[in-house]
Amino acid sequence: SAVISQKPSRDICQRGTSLTIQCQVDSQVTMMFWYRQQPGQSLTLIATANQGSEATYESGFVIDKFPISRPNLTFSTLTVSNMSPEDSSIYLCSVEGDSRVLGYTFGSGTRLTVV
Amino acid sequence: GQQLNQSPQSMFIQEGEDVSMNCTSSSIFNTWLWYKQDPGEGPVLLIALYKAGELTSNGRLTAQFGITRKDSFLNISASIPSDVGIYFCAGQLNFGNEKLTFGTGTRLTIIP
Repeated sequence: SAVISQKPSRDICQRGTSLTIQCQVDSQVTMMFWYRQQPGQSLTLIATANQGSEATYESGFVIDKFPISRPNLTFSTLTVSNMSPEDSSIYLCSVEGDSRVLGYTFGSGTRLTVV
Repeated sequence: GQQLNQSPQSMFIQEGEDVSMNCTSSSIFNTWLWYKQDPGEGPVLLIALYKAGELTSNGRLTAQFGITRKDSFLNISASIPSDVGIYFCAGQLNFGNEKLTFGTGTRLTIIP
């Protein structure tokens, strides 16, 4: 299965600022998925990033707040803009395996605290 | 967004006990996945199920794909300390970069 490197692993940010999270995959993938995991909660999909086109956002998430870049088939970034304490969460990127048996692989996540 | 109902929400067991948890949905899925998440890490795939009624094992773990396609079960036998963590079910309608819908999670704690 793919190996995903996610940076930074954690950060503490001031409200009103923005943070860009990077996700690097060791193989070429069509889609990359960005999830948010609020404290003590499950994973919620933010958006799907397809190389060469605009990301597709889930209900409740907008591009102005979570702009995504997908410059090539192995890399994506998620920016959390104009942060507030409610944005404090773990943000994870994920890719699907080459076959059904592999499921989805997740990065180790970025733990964001907004103060 | 939609979430799958997972129960129990948390479990406190003694080492060596068996564990059972389940996941239910109001809509069908064609793939059910079970993940475990350790603190500070992303979820790691434990078992994948593709066929209604299918029973699949991975070591001490056994999972079943419900016949209605709307539920799944995970059992852990003879629990050990490293089983501690949060377990998530996830459903997928079709393979091929279709999104996963996650369950609410079951937090497993082992009492010494």
